[in-house]
Amino acid sequence: AQSVAQPEDQVNVAEGNPLTVKCTYSVSGNPYLFWYVQYPNRGLQFLLKYITGDNLVKGSYGFEAEFNKSQTSFHLKKPSALVSDSALYFCAVRAPGAGSYQLTFGKGTKLSVIP
Amino acid sequence: DAGVTQSPTHLIKTRGQQVTLRCSPKSGHDTVSWYQQALGQGPQFIFQYYEEEERQRGNFPDRFSGHQFPNYSSELNVNALLLGDSALYLCASSLGQGRHFGPGTRLLVL
Repeated sequence: AQSVAQPEDQVNVAEGNPLTVKCTYSVSGNPYLFWYVQYPNRGLQFLLKYITGDNLVKGSYGFEAEFNKSQTSFHLKKPSALVSDSALYFCAVRAPGAGSYQLTFGKGTKLSVIP
Repeated sequence: DAGVTQSPTHLIKTRGQQVTLRCSPKSGHDTVSWYQQALGQGPQFIFQYYEEEERQRGNFPDRFSGHQFPNYSSELNVNALLLGDSALYLCASSLGQGRHFGPGTRLLVL
């Protein structure tokens, strides 16, 4: 069975400072990994994904994530946080191969960027 | 180009009733997945439809059923509603690896 852990319920960061939102996963085989953001009363918006290739993935709005196979982690990062980045962030994993289509999400991390 | 649309946006039902939620996928997408997001939780996979067939199902009871139409739109039906079914129901469409989510339908069961 696949699973995702987001160890921090909330992350607070000052505007302009770098931010990191942590994610670890468990899955058989090489994972497909995703980050989504959710604003209040909205659906999920795709930020970035790792399927294969370079371990550093660049996504929307200046976000990036680093895939670390040995630590089974896929932490989300941004060099300089904006107040508008304040939202709920979800990490998700999908097992590779045919017959596996579901995304398994973490519980989410609330990011608050303080002006 | 419209993204994923869902209807209705909000719904209030009472225990024991039945509900149907609707989803229109993003143009060009042929696969629809449904997720349940309870308050304070991440989305949980209900099932996925492709070529009008249920392709994979998550750990949800048979009270949850679905359908996909020839135009790729989809419905989620929930019978015998329980208080615990109160949640945001998200539809996601895809063509390949990416998933595009709709804004969701918020269901409240009283």
